[in-house]
Amino acid sequence: DGGITQSPKYLFRKEGQNVTLSCEQNLNHDAMYWYRQDPGQGLRLIYYSQIVNDFQKGDIAEGYSVSREKKESFPLTVTSAQKNPTAFYLCASSRAQDGNYGYTFGSGTRLTVV
Amino acid sequence: DAKTTQPPSMDCAEGRAANLPCNHSTISGNEYVYWYRQIHSQGPQYIIHGLKNNETNEMASLIITEDRKSSTLILPHATLRDTAVYYCIVRVAGRDDKIIFGKGTRLHILP
Repeated sequence: DGGITQSPKYLFRKEGQNVTLSCEQNLNHDAMYWYRQDPGQGLRLIYYSQIVNDFQKGDIAEGYSVSREKKESFPLTVTSAQKNPTAFYLCASSRAQDGNYGYTFGSGTRLTVV
Repeated sequence: DAKTTQPPSMDCAEGRAANLPCNHSTISGNEYVYWYRQIHSQGPQYIIHGLKNNETNEMASLIITEDRKSSTLILPHATLRDTAVYYCIVRVAGRDDKIIFGKGTRLHILP
């Protein structure tokens, strides 16, 4: 079955360390997205990519970096520059520039920095 | 900023229809209205979407006003498993293709 996979489900890191969250999809979607969610809040857009080797900043890109070397993969690195990295991170994918097609979300990665 | 506004919370009795409103007064002609829901600590789940016409699927119905400035999601027979945060969002089909989420409506189903 096609889908979008985020790993790991839970991640613990020490303060000051960079950490990379994985997002893989086998839906043949061109567009991929990263969102951050804090407790009791909605989703905020970090980065998005509509095509391989290209990506754009979302509303809260500071302290994060991404790459899009393959269509199937869109890893997110949380750097030590991110002041409050503890959060729930969600990855999504969709057909690019097709308003009549919904997003598919992964099940999320909960990052805790200690 | 999100292009939609929703009430922060709503209650609905189990077995009754849940009607969740959404305002999107600045929506453009090529923008679709989508509804997702999120159960605690899970990824958002697609419910339904539409452009102009009312839509129905096995989960819900979507009623869009004629001027497209507001819509209502209807869960016809709410159950306790429908307790979730419901997001109404607008998606642009264009060069800057992205979804901006608002805070959604927290729906409580009362037994």
